Amino acid sequence: QKEVEQDPGPLSVPEGAIVSLNCTYSNSAFQYFMWYRQYSRKGPELLMYTYSSGNKEDGRFTAQVDKSSKYISLFIRDSQPSDSATYLCAMSALTGGGNKLTFGTGTQLKVEL
Amino acid sequence: GAVVSQHPSRVICKSGTSVKIECRSLDFQATTMFWYRQFPKQSLMLMATSNEGSKATYEQGVEKDKFLINHASLTLSTLTVTSAHPEDSSFYICSAPSDGLAGITDTQYFGPGTRLTVL
Repeated sequence: QKEVEQDPGPLSVPEGAIVSLNCTYSNSAFQYFMWYRQYSRKGPELLMYTYSSGNKEDGRFTAQVDKSSKYISLFIRDSQPSDSATYLCAMSALTGGGNKLTFGTGTQLKVEL
Repeated sequence: GAVVSQHPSRVICKSGTSVKIECRSLDFQATTMFWYRQFPKQSLMLMATSNEGSKATYEQGVEKDKFLINHASLTLSTLTVTSAHPEDSSFYICSAPSDGLAGITDTQYFGPGTRLTVL
């Protein structure tokens, strides 16, 4: 069993839809959670960073963490074609960027006009 | 946010040659950098942790003699793929942690990646 499970998609939605992306994990030591966006043939770009259960909002993006269920989500409101990318969840047991991240496989999202 | 650059962005080489990839943190210092490899439609796989002033730490299954890492300064790490073969063709990405600098989230920031094609 992988430490982090993420549905690879592809996920196709119409413009303006609410998108829900999810990851589950098995390692209860994970305490810090990130979402990265990766456009084709580019490096990942940090979208959201959170470390506590609950919701964190930033513009059209909301990150949700449920540590009791070992489940994290990223919601995108009013999705745009420019949101089409692969979304990677990542997590770490320790705080600080100098610690290893464990990534999900990434979910490929396509927002259609 | 923090900026990490990589050079070159793309390289094509013949089998048996060596290729060097540079990773630089542009607006912050990084005593640690990470090197990842990503195959098409797969996630990032950590290859090694590069440490300034000391030897790199390699993940299980990664050949340290094939993938040479040198962390020459607080802003530069290099990955050299020695005697490259077609199976080494991949997307290589580095990252550097911000280490909690003011105004920057304390996590890893990624370079744009280097696409290596070995013929």
